[in-house]
Amino acid sequence: DAGITQSPRYKITETGRQVTLMCHQTWSHSYMFWYRQDLGHGLRLIYYSAAADITDKGEVPDGYVVSRSKTENFPLTLESATRSQTSVYFCASKGTGWETQYFGPGTRLLVL
Amino acid sequence: SQQGEEDPQALSIQEGENATMNCSYKTSINNLQWYRQNSGRGLVHLILIRSNEREKHSGRLRVTLDTSKKSSSLLITASRAADTASYFCATDDNDTGGFKTIFGAGTRLFVKA
Repeated sequence: DAGITQSPRYKITETGRQVTLMCHQTWSHSYMFWYRQDLGHGLRLIYYSAAADITDKGEVPDGYVVSRSKTENFPLTLESATRSQTSVYFCASKGTGWETQYFGPGTRLLVL
Repeated sequence: SQQGEEDPQALSIQEGENATMNCSYKTSINNLQWYRQNSGRGLVHLILIRSNEREKHSGRLRVTLDTSKKSSSLLITASRAADTASYFCATDDNDTGGFKTIFGAGTRLFVKA
């Protein structure tokens, strides 16, 4: 199906474990983004990517790692999960700098 | 702090009434966007207004932009229960050529049937 998808939709993990959240888009958009959404903070940018193999830090990158080996995929890895990383994670993409972003459905992550 | 800040944080109205949400931002912008988020879902784009535009309409939505005051408003006319959602304004960061979009904390709208 065309669009932007995220997997898993729900994840429960334990402190210290590594977790990878997947994001896939079918539009061949150049730009991709990872946000986390927490009550009282709105959406905060974790990492973004302008193209394959080009990534950069956003507002809250600590504890996260990203890669972009293919244009359509932008996985987000929590190297050693902490309880403060319990959140809803959204992936988004857009074609150019001044266009609308399209969001995935989100991944709800609970770190115990 | 957030580039875009919405006001009010929460709004409760009766079906059929109009809902107005405001957004303020701090830096120069190329455009300003409004998004809606239904509970448990991702954000959906509603409308984009460019910095050289003052007003834009889309169905029951009306957006205004005042770049001198660095503010925007979203008006939803004749609201429906289905309009219950959170609404976010967002601005593209000029310093990165619009690459990064900065979101406000959102306004939660509740429309009572």
